[in-house]
Amino acid sequence: QVQLVQSGAEVKKPGASVKVPCKASAYTFNTYHIHWVRQAPGQGPEWMGVINPRGGGTSYAQKFQGRVTISRDTSTSTVYMDLSGLGFEDTAVYYCARDGGRDLWLGFFDYWGQGTLVTVSS
Amino acid sequence: DIVMTQSPDSLAVSLGERATINCKSSQSVLYDSNNKNYLAWYQQKPGQSPKLLIYWASTRESGVPDRFSGSGSGTDFTLTISSLQAEDVAVYYCQQSYSTPSTFGGGTKVEIK
Repeated sequence: QVQLVQSGAEVKKPGASVKVPCKASAYTFNTYHIHWVRQAPGQGPEWMGVINPRGGGTSYAQKFQGRVTISRDTSTSTVYMDLSGLGFEDTAVYYCARDGGRDLWLGFFDYWGQGTLVTVSS
Repeated sequence: DIVMTQSPDSLAVSLGERATINCKSSQSVLYDSNNKNYLAWYQQKPGQSPKLLIYWASTRESGVPDRFSGSGSGTDFTLTISSLQAEDVAVYYCQQSYSTPSTFGGGTKVEIK
């Protein structure tokens, strides 16, 4: 069955960067966009950005422009989310999620990774 | 950005009774070109990732029990659980994907009365 597998929890100091991988399996990697969504403790989800694995094109929420980079490695079916300049407010669970549209961006998410807790602490 | 407002924040319903959750968007999420509302509903249980229940406002995701239904158009939407089961205890979120950034509601916590 379709799986998105993420890495384990991370603890980072303020100002540092974090790079979270998301490995996809059991479907054709190039045919579905992958999104990144984060969820701070006790809060609702927040969309960060999306990548089209076929050509590598990306789109980011204005809030994260200049701080987030989403990339992919087609040889390993892995998408990466790199967030720089971490602050305490970036403490959250970070999820990758597959778009529900085959070969197009529909914007709803049919499969989710298990999440990666990123804690920013001095 | 489109603001998604859910109500109520929480509700307690007896087993077998109906639960109704409302979601209002600050602008229409209906695409005229295909007559689809870009509105989805998710269920999130403690310690788990969100799970897609409904997309295009009323299309049930494969494998989702038919006691879950979505309705509405434009700016006002409803998620209904027709007969609440114990396993439905969770937080429910609406989400719009009409425009970027996609945005979520604040969530509605459903509990057993």
